[in-house]
Amino acid sequence: EAGVVQSPRYKIIEKKQPVAFWCNPISGHNTLYWYLQNLGQGPELLIRYENEEAVDDSQLPKDRFSAERLKGVDSTLKIQPAELGDSAVYLCASSLGSASGETQYFGPGTRLLVL
Amino acid sequence: GDSVTQMEGPVTLSEEAFLTINCTYTATGYPSLFWYVQYPGEGLQLLLKATKADDKGSNKGFEATYRKETTSFHLEKGSVQVSDSAVYFCALSASGYALNFGKGTSLLVTP
Repeated sequence: EAGVVQSPRYKIIEKKQPVAFWCNPISGHNTLYWYLQNLGQGPELLIRYENEEAVDDSQLPKDRFSAERLKGVDSTLKIQPAELGDSAVYLCASSLGSASGETQYFGPGTRLLVL
Repeated sequence: GDSVTQMEGPVTLSEEAFLTINCTYTATGYPSLFWYVQYPGEGLQLLLKATKADDKGSNKGFEATYRKETTSFHLEKGSVQVSDSAVYFCALSASGYALNFGKGTSLLVTP
């Protein structure tokens, strides 16, 4: 079974430029998460989808970040414009559902460097 | 709000030594508890989990027991190997919510 796929794996951009990250979850997983992981820290939730609906986006900086999950499968996370402080690893995860004990499966992440 | 606190790293051990990484949590209700591992250059992988009090999760020689009375979920392994060198994250999840991670503990096992 294929795992969570993310692309690109690495991205270097200049500040004020736009950037987009793509995620393909495990087939059949209804719940999709985007996390932000700063260096030396644990991941922090940005947004959670149940199918195509964003059910928790309270931590997403909506002035510059946006996300979508068309048809309840793939998802894209966008930053426009990027700032120096956005340099981090962006992780996508998926799970069958959102029950407390549900295992989340993580992709390899996209490492973003903003210059 | 819910939170996880785990011991600061880095932890350096010799091969075959005993490992303990402490993790305590604060949560309302009855969360599920997880240990994830991140090997160098790789994504996060589930190591083990426990969904209710007194449950013991185990995998690859690692164990952790969900202790409600001490709000703890300490990770242990009796004999570590060089291949266990990684960053270990303790996390909790309440129903309908995403994972809430600790800051991670880096483990280096030397031959």
